Amino acid sequence: GNSVTQMEGPVTLSEEAFLTINCTYTATGYPSLFWYVQYPGEGLQLLLKATKADDKGSNKGFEATYRKETTSFHLEKGSVQVSDSAVYFCALRSGSEKLVFGKGTKLTVNP
Amino acid sequence: NAGVTQTPKFQVLKTGQSMTLQCAQDMNHEYMSWYRQDPGMGLRLIHYSVGAGITDQGEVPNGYNVSRSTTEDFPLRLLSAAPSQTSVYFCASSRTLQETQYFGPGTRLLVL
Repeated sequence: GNSVTQMEGPVTLSEEAFLTINCTYTATGYPSLFWYVQYPGEGLQLLLKATKADDKGSNKGFEATYRKETTSFHLEKGSVQVSDSAVYFCALRSGSEKLVFGKGTKLTVNP
Repeated sequence: NAGVTQTPKFQVLKTGQSMTLQCAQDMNHEYMSWYRQDPGMGLRLIHYSVGAGITDQGEVPNGYNVSRSTTEDFPLRLLSAAPSQTSVYFCASSRTLQETQYFGPGTRLLVL
């Protein structure tokens, strides 16, 4: 079945540091890939997505590239801010199947 | 637009009690779903609905019932709460299964 594996947290960084959160997937067919963000006390929000190989999703300074050859969709940001502190979820959907989420990675950014 | 709303925000139940978690959306979305979020487990799908009158089970449906009498509302019922149902519950909706899901703010449930 479809599955998502993302790096376990928590991740703690200083402001302006470079962020990478790894995500790899297993899926049948050609899945769409997503990153969701959950700020403290809130529900999940879509951060970015990519629907086919080599697509790059980007939003709020975050980027992720759909790499079919390595079945990966790593999330990156060049300079994190305190306001980026949140839990980040990688997810996929293949065809008519439901969304499948990773377990989440908690990011804390210190000033 | 209110988007996806959930009530209550927080609830404490005793084992064996029943309750209904409310979810409503004002975006005329056909697809709605319920997830539970537990530490180290990510989000797991409980039940979902592809339109009024149609519901189906997700990954962890046991102990929960749903109904979809209108497009707007998708309540989740716990008939006899158990401590294992202590969790944070999120409702989500989207125009179709394939489109972006919008999440509510969540209901934190504690079963003693």
